[in-house]
Amino acid sequence: DAGVIQSPRHEVTEMGQEVTLRCKPISGHNSLFWYRQTMMRGLELLIYFNNNVPIDDSGMPEDRFSAKMPNASFSTLKIQPSEPRDSAVYFCASSKGALNTEAFFGQGTRLTVV
Amino acid sequence: QQQVKQSPQSLIVQKGGISIINCAYENTAFDYFPWYQQFPGKGPALLIAIRPDVSEKKEGRFTISFNKSAKQFSLHIMDSQPGDSATYFCAASYSGSARQLTFGSGTQLTVLP
Repeated sequence: DAGVIQSPRHEVTEMGQEVTLRCKPISGHNSLFWYRQTMMRGLELLIYFNNNVPIDDSGMPEDRFSAKMPNASFSTLKIQPSEPRDSAVYFCASSKGALNTEAFFGQGTRLTVV
Repeated sequence: QQQVKQSPQSLIVQKGGISIINCAYENTAFDYFPWYQQFPGKGPALLIAIRPDVSEKKEGRFTISFNKSAKQFSLHIMDSQPGDSATYFCAASYSGSARQLTFGSGTQLTVLP
């Protein structure tokens, strides 16, 4: 299994631009999580999907952030418009289900907003 | 509200020594306590995990000690090796939260050769 695949690995964009981060979870996993990692705030859960349905988006910082999961094998996290304070590493993780405890993380997307 | 507090922020240990990282939690509903290991440029990876029905779990050189009454758990790395140098995160979750992980702030471990 290739694991959780995220793209791009690095993204540099100008303030105000739209940014889309992509994630392909492990096949057969029906829970998907988006996390953000910064030095100041550590690993923060942004949103969680179960069976492609957003269950908890209370961690999404602002309306500028949105996430979708159109099917079981693909999810996006969009920031529009982006701001310098959005600079962070964004991780996608997946697990087999609500009762399964191990979450597998992708390698992350390092976002820099200048 | 930080629900999982982790210490120390950084730790330097000599090769062969014991590394100890501590975490404390607040939410008594937590029933799953994993430790994740993260190398630079990589995502966190599950290292070892424990449930509150046991006080200790050992896997190779890695041991979790769990104190339910004190709401604390710790990771012990025996015979620490330079390859163990990484950032370690404790975490917690409970079934009612659909297993969303709440992470500690992380400990950067450096094992000197």
